[in-house]
Amino acid sequence: SAVISQKPSRDICQRGTSLTIQCQVDSQVTMMFWYRQQPGQSLTLIATANQGSEATYESGFVIDKFPISRPNLTFSTLTVSNMSPEDSSIYLCSGGQEVGYTFGSGTRLTVV
Amino acid sequence: QQQVKQSPQSLIVQKGGISIINCAYENTAFDYFPWYQQFPGKGPALLIAIRPDVSEKKEGRFTISFNKSAKQFSLHIMDSQPGDSATYFCAASSSNFGNEKLTFGTGTRLTIIP
Repeated sequence: SAVISQKPSRDICQRGTSLTIQCQVDSQVTMMFWYRQQPGQSLTLIATANQGSEATYESGFVIDKFPISRPNLTFSTLTVSNMSPEDSSIYLCSGGQEVGYTFGSGTRLTVV
Repeated sequence: QQQVKQSPQSLIVQKGGISIINCAYENTAFDYFPWYQQFPGKGPALLIAIRPDVSEKKEGRFTISFNKSAKQFSLHIMDSQPGDSATYFCAASSSNFGNEKLTFGTGTRLTIIP
């Protein structure tokens, strides 16, 4: 199964700024996803990152707030824009050739 | 309905005992049911998964039981060990949805006591 690396692993950011999270997969994968997880809670899907086209966002998430890029089959970025304290969370990248997806270790974001 | 309901929210089991976590779903289009294990500070890791064509799948100490008519599935951990202490998530996906995205349950925090 694919191995996923995410960076940064954690960051503390000022309100109103933006942070870009990178996700690198060690092999080409068909599917890549971005999730948000509050500590101690379940995973909420933000969007499906589509290679070469616009991401598919879930209800409650919009491109202006969470722009996603996926330039090839091994790499994706998620930007958290114009951050507020409510954006403090763990952001996780996931992917694979088929279901049974692998997850990165996550990016713990704190907005102050 | 995309929801997957999971219970219990937390579970304490003695070492050597059997841990049982249950999930239920509504959408009959779901055709893949994985369980993920997550340790603090780590991303979820795929533990075991099942498709509806079988009623049970076993991998080592971990077994999934699947009841298609009741739309329920469960994870059994035999001979539970302290190293099994983690949060467990059930999930479901459908090949009919195109992108086979996973819908997760709410999670169960499992603690194995010596």
